[in-house]
Amino acid sequence: QVQLQESGPGLVKPSQTLSLTCTVSGGSISSGSYYWSWIRQPAGKGLEWIGRIYTSGSTNYNPSLKSRVTISVDTSKNQFSLKLSSVTAADTAVYYCARDPSGDLPLDWGQGTLVTVSS
Amino acid sequence: QSVLTQPPSASGTPGQRVTISCSGSSSNIGSNYVYWYQQLPGTAPKLLIYRNNQRPSGVPDRFSGSKSGTSASLAISGLRSEDEADYYCAAWDDSLSGPVVFGGGTKLTVL
Repeated sequence: QVQLQESGPGLVKPSQTLSLTCTVSGGSISSGSYYWSWIRQPAGKGLEWIGRIYTSGSTNYNPSLKSRVTISVDTSKNQFSLKLSSVTAADTAVYYCARDPSGDLPLDWGQGTLVTVSS
Repeated sequence: QSVLTQPPSASGTPGQRVTISCSGSSSNIGSNYVYWYQQLPGTAPKLLIYRNNQRPSGVPDRFSGSKSGTSASLAISGLRSEDEADYYCAAWDDSLSGPVVFGGGTKLTVL
């Protein structure tokens, strides 16, 4: 059973870059036909898809965030990462990483990590 | 403003059947699969329905999904107190809104 765990700073200053890592356990990030996604959820609000990456390095991003988002994968560490630049208070949210079977939306989710943007 | 439209709330009594709607357009629900997620308070979303009407292993058959045109529905039969949660629909989107869009979520209350 694959497990995903987000990690990273819980507090980021405005205008800085938010950086999160998702560690995958219970399976290799390189095996199988899976995409690896990031989704976020502001407190009391709905889900927002951020983007995803395939182990080949191919990426898809939410058009509204595309200019600020970079998702990368490190197969040697069985991890994938999210970088969101020029953050503002509107980027405060719980950030989830997830695994998507090829052709489908996220099936397996991490527990989520709260990132607050504040000075 | 979410691309997919859901009612903000729904309710039912134990044992009842409730449905939650999700309205979209030709670029998302009209031409792609619909997915449904359940989010219990303080937890990560859980996939309930994929590819319009398929249930992942372990999801009770009390949960069912359907799609017609640019709308979709999630039905929960034999409602239980533990079904009280937020429910989200999602779909691929072929327009500039995509590639993945979510509904705004429906808070289900079991009375």
